[in-house]
Amino acid sequence: QSVLTQPPSASGTPGQRVTISCSGSSSNIGSNTVNWYQQLPGTAPKLLIYSNDQRPSGVPDRFSGSKSGTSASLAISGLQSEDEADYYCAAWDDRLNGVVFGGGTKLTVL
Amino acid sequence: VQLVESGGGLVQPGGSLRLACAASGFTFSRYEMNWVRQAPGKGLEWLSYISNSGRTIYYADSVKGRFTISRDNAKNSLYLQMNTLRAEDTAVYYCARDLIVGALDLWGQGSLVTVSS
Repeated sequence: QSVLTQPPSASGTPGQRVTISCSGSSSNIGSNTVNWYQQLPGTAPKLLIYSNDQRPSGVPDRFSGSKSGTSASLAISGLQSEDEADYYCAAWDDRLNGVVFGGGTKLTVL
Repeated sequence: VQLVESGGGLVQPGGSLRLACAASGFTFSRYEMNWVRQAPGKGLEWLSYISNSGRTIYYADSVKGRFTISRDNAKNSLYLQMNTLRAEDTAVYYCARDLIVGALDLWGQGSLVTVSS
């Protein structure tokens, strides 16, 4: 059971916009910034969004993040086949004194 | 700019293993570092954090008292000493650089640890 809650799966067709939600609590998302990771099959995770809505250099602007209260969302617009991957949200947890991850969302591009 | 883990392998339950993570291409001593693992077919699990000086350390409850994180800034290296290993510790172990708190911007390729008799 992960501390942050994500839907196990999501799907969309090429060109569509997809959102993935992440729900937490006051000790993590409610008081710290949210980060999102993309993990392609057989590879290490890659930082996709940090500080709720910031994109590291090289991440397309099709990817965007937002946060409100104890929840956050990742949006992917103009969906492409190469976006098919697992996506994880994460945040620092002040009560646990550590990083907590969501269980991951498997995105399928139909 | 990269992180390269080493030291994984097959170990019996109750045994020990030491993972190493070699950093290159950046000033290692300026960055906090973390260990994260991923059991087969499962999600990501954060294990441990160490500040750039090594003076501040945190552990997940699942490994507290069994695993020890350390670093040698002179050797640009991060370590994870794993003792009293259990079957449920079987996973790919990643070292990861901290961009800002909880945002891990550089990951190694991972090192597989298998705990089995």
